[in-house]
Formats: sequence, C-alpha cells, structure tokens
Amino acid sequence: EDQVTQSPEALRLQEGESSSLNCSYTVSGLRGLFWYRQDPGKGPEFLFTLYSAGEEKEKERLKATLTKKESFLHITAPKPEDSATYLCAVQETGGSYIPTFGRGTSLIVHP
Amino acid sequence: KAGVTQTPRYLIKTRGQQVTLSCSPISGHRSVSWYQQTPGQGLQFLFEYFSETQRNKGNFPGRFSGRQFSNSRSEMNVSTLELGDSALYLCASGPSSTYNEQFFGPGTRLTVL
Repeated sequence: EDQVTQSPEALRLQEGESSSLNCSYTVSGLRGLFWYRQDPGKGPEFLFTLYSAGEEKEKERLKATLTKKESFLHITAPKPEDSATYLCAVQETGGSYIPTFGRGTSLIVHP
Repeated sequence: KAGVTQTPRYLIKTRGQQVTLSCSPISGHRSVSWYQQTPGQGLQFLFEYFSETQRNKGNFPGRFSGRQFSNSRSEMNVSTLELGDSALYLCASGPSSTYNEQFFGPGTRLTVL
C-alpha cells in the first residue's frame, strides 16, 4: 500500500475553472508535507511545506491546506501556465526524514 | 544565484555498460540527494550526501553508488546497466540534511538499450 496517494491522476480544466488536487497519506507521524510543481523536461520546483493540521500556505493562485490525513492544493482561477504535474511528498517523524513522493497529478488548463 | 546543474542532460547506453552522472548543487548547499523518476514508480530516493558522507540510502541495489566531493559536487554511478534503469535521474540540493526545501536540477534522461 502506497504511503502517499494523489488524486486525480489527471485533471483537465478550463481557464478560470477552480479546482482542488488531493494528497492523502498514511504515515504514523507527519513531520512535514511538501508540494512541488514539475514542468515537462524539468526537475520539480518547490512550492510549499506544511507541518501541522490546520496550516495553510498561499502563493499566487495556489493554496495548500493540511489535515491529519490529507492535503489539498486548491487552484483558483487557473491559467494555462499553471499546467504541470503537481507532486506531493511526505516526511515521517523519527528516522531518516527521507521524503516519500506520490505519483503526482497531471494538470492541463485549456485557454 | 545559479541553480542546480546536471550533466549530461541525455545519455544513451547499452545493457551491461556503466554510467556516471554529475551534479553541481547551489552554492553553499552541502546536501545533495539523488532520485530516480519513472512513469511506473514515480520519484524514488536513491541516496543523500552531506559534507562528503552518505547520510541516507534508498532501496536500490548496490549497482547504484555515489560520492560527493569537497566542493559539494556529486556524482552518481550505475554499473552493469539494465533495461529497467532507463529513467530520469534527478539531483536535489539543500542547505541542510532535513529535506525541508530541496532544489532540483533538470535531470539526466538515461536510456538503456
């Protein structure tokens, strides 16, 4: 069973059509949850780190929220340039802090 | 500030060969991590070096190895290549060894024929 599950796998939106991406996790203790954006042919680009339930972070049209079992990446009034794959990674308490990545959500925003 | 650079960007090898990939982290960053990204498995952690010492290692066979130099530049080596090693190999650097905010390079696309 995957520790980090992202849904949906793919999402197509019209420009301006707001939506949310989900990242659910099953680690016993969460040290941190990370969101990254990855454009085709490039490495992931860091977006946010969330540490505790109830925490929220915003950047332009993106807002990340965290509960005890999942995180949401809300995209408000998306533009075509928001098209990318969004990756979520989870870091467990104790141990090595190695992040476990989800498979990602591929977002396409049509003009 | 220059970002993380990786060389080469593309590489084609045949089964049984070995390959060395290079990564130059952001100036001042002492932590360098390597990841393998494939469509089937996603992003998987290979290993991390901090101040020339391997701090963590993922669940990969011993054919995958790495090292870090005193200037923080890192190399990754894969020996006896297999078809399944075809992937995007990503390097990420950070100021500490806690992975809190990692900066990724563009990756090296390795194709094994």
